[in-house]
Amino acid sequence: GESVGLHLPTLSVQEGDNSIINCAYSNSASDYFIWYKQESGKGPQFIIDIRSNMDKRQGQRVTVLLNKTVKHLSLQIAATQPGDSAVYFCAENPHAGNMLTFGGGTRLMVKP
Amino acid sequence: DSGVTQTPKHLITATGQRVTLRCSPRSGDLSVYWYQQSLDQGLQFLIQYYNGEERAKGNILERFSAQQFPDLHSELNLSSLELGDSALYFCASSVRGDTSYNEQFFGPGTRLTVL
Repeated sequence: GESVGLHLPTLSVQEGDNSIINCAYSNSASDYFIWYKQESGKGPQFIIDIRSNMDKRQGQRVTVLLNKTVKHLSLQIAATQPGDSAVYFCAENPHAGNMLTFGGGTRLMVKP
Repeated sequence: DSGVTQTPKHLITATGQRVTLRCSPRSGDLSVYWYQQSLDQGLQFLIQYYNGEERAKGNILERFSAQQFPDLHSELNLSSLELGDSALYFCASSVRGDTSYNEQFFGPGTRLTVL
């Protein structure tokens, strides 16, 4: 598969453990945030989103937390599985804009 | 499968050449976005079209241009190619494109290699 980045921070977890991936965003005017998962050789895949009027949103096995005070976003994955191994990107959308600004990405490796 | 299609999957060309990348959005989506992903720059927004008109512009070089056709498919034209243009080019689409909170669905990308 294709590598999306050779020098990404890497998080290595044991299968079944919970994973927490962090992201610092830059624009205090951003009001919409998205987490994407990118597997080798594929395009980014939407995981979960959150608007700035919320501080927590839950999906299936995933939770996103937003701390606007320190401009920090996190993605929690419960009971991490080998299929969760991928690069995870946070993206922010400035108010009334449409272009997404992506973070640098974190590589998640799940050990069986 | 996101429903967004991109062709070709791979493209190998020489410096100075011109190429066209094609994107078909999901059925019903009016907006198309182009992104470039390179090893040193990460994922960067290039340009957005909404219902045929340019909506937003990011870090797109003057050598690059795009358009969205009446059937809503889009093409990204890259000319006078340089080695540094080698990257993955992604297209994304969303239902709308004139407000925030538009979930963007990404295609599988086109891998461009400039030799």
